[in-house]
Amino acid sequence: LAKTTQPISMDSYEGQEVNITCSHNNIATNDYITWYQQFPSQGPRFIIQGYKTKVTNEVASLFIPADRKSSTLSLPRVSLSDTAVYYCLVGGPNTGFQKLVFGTGTRLLVSP
Amino acid sequence: GAVVSQHPSWVICKSGTSVKIECRSLDFQATTMFWYRQFPKQSLMLMATSNEGSKATYEQGVEKDKFLINHASLTLSTLTVTSAHPEDSSFYICSAPDGGAATDTQYFGPGTRLTVL
Repeated sequence: LAKTTQPISMDSYEGQEVNITCSHNNIATNDYITWYQQFPSQGPRFIIQGYKTKVTNEVASLFIPADRKSSTLSLPRVSLSDTAVYYCLVGGPNTGFQKLVFGTGTRLLVSP
Repeated sequence: GAVVSQHPSWVICKSGTSVKIECRSLDFQATTMFWYRQFPKQSLMLMATSNEGSKATYEQGVEKDKFLINHASLTLSTLTVTSAHPEDSSFYICSAPDGGAATDTQYFGPGTRLTVL
């Protein structure tokens, strides 16, 4: 399974754009990149998934360079409620049928 | 999106007793479900893969005789912590993909907080 590396923590202020980068140097050809958000004492919540280039939904954007060895989750105009842990995961058909292996995650703290 | 529920949301038990945690996919069927354990301030650790109609697959280091998994239907998987001890106190989370492809979104339950006294 591809190992991911993320910053342990990040700080931001309300209204700012936050970019969290994840490194996955040994990503396989068939692997997808998925980001989850987790609040304390809750299960993770799906944010966004992508394979290459850029993906955007109503809550975030995901940027994936051509070599796919990293990805960046972009949260526009964060609010206090975006304070959470964000996990980057990599997986695909060859990595055990959707078996997700969580890394350390990035603890985002949004301040007023 | 799809919903995964867990029951109970929290449980307190005495050391030596067994506790059963249920994981249900409410509006979709899941032939595979996953069980995770999470200690405070730590990441989720995959414990096992629950397969409908067959034996669960356990991750290295997870005792299959202590953490019994039963996936009796396409919407229900149960995790039983047998002879629980204080070190088993943790946050247990299940997840289920909503389709057969590896890219299908995986949905997580709200978690079950187990405290063993």
